[in-house]
Amino acid sequence: DGGITQSPKYLFRKEGQNVTLSCEQNLNHDAMYWYRQDPGQGLRLIYYSQIVNDFQKGDIAEGYSVSREKKESFPLTVTSAQKNPTAFYLCASSIDRTSYEQYFGPGTRLTVT
Amino acid sequence: AQKVTQAQTEISVVEKEDVTLDCVYETRDTTYYLFWYKQPPSGELVFLIRRNSFDEQNEISGRYSWNFQKSTSSFNFTITASQVVDSAVYFCALSQMVKTGANNLFFGTGTRLTVIP
Repeated sequence: DGGITQSPKYLFRKEGQNVTLSCEQNLNHDAMYWYRQDPGQGLRLIYYSQIVNDFQKGDIAEGYSVSREKKESFPLTVTSAQKNPTAFYLCASSIDRTSYEQYFGPGTRLTVT
Repeated sequence: AQKVTQAQTEISVVEKEDVTLDCVYETRDTTYYLFWYKQPPSGELVFLIRRNSFDEQNEISGRYSWNFQKSTSSFNFTITASQVVDSAVYFCALSQMVKTGANNLFFGTGTRLTVIP
């Protein structure tokens, strides 16, 4: 089945540690996105990538980093510089940058204590 | 600037009732897309509909219908004869039609719908 996978579903880390969230898609989509969701709020864009080896900052990129070495993979690193990292993280993809429909993965709930 | 407002934070209805979820948007663009997504308890966002700014026709898909009114900048979503499986958080979103860069989505804060059996 084609889709987007994010693992793990739940992730726990100690404050001060970097943590990497994985996102893999087998939809052959060019564009990929990372969003953050906080309780009672909508999704906010962290980073996006239109093609391999290219990515751009979204609205709340500070404290995060990404890479796009392969078309199907777009991992997100939450660094110790992110002041409030506990949140629900959603990865999405779209056919290309002109496609307006984004398809989402199941999300990773990160808790930092 | 893009902004999407979903004033209804939470709605509860009894099964089989109809319910309308409101969405009001702001944009300076003359061309844009509007979306509705459903987020069930599992967390994954499920795409429901896309509507472009050129097309103000209402759309019906089974028990779902959407009313797009450009004059009031609204894109409301109605569920007819609600079912327990409709319980979820529903997000309205807006996207610019851009020729460069990715087509980023701007989300509202969501409406949590609870359908009581």
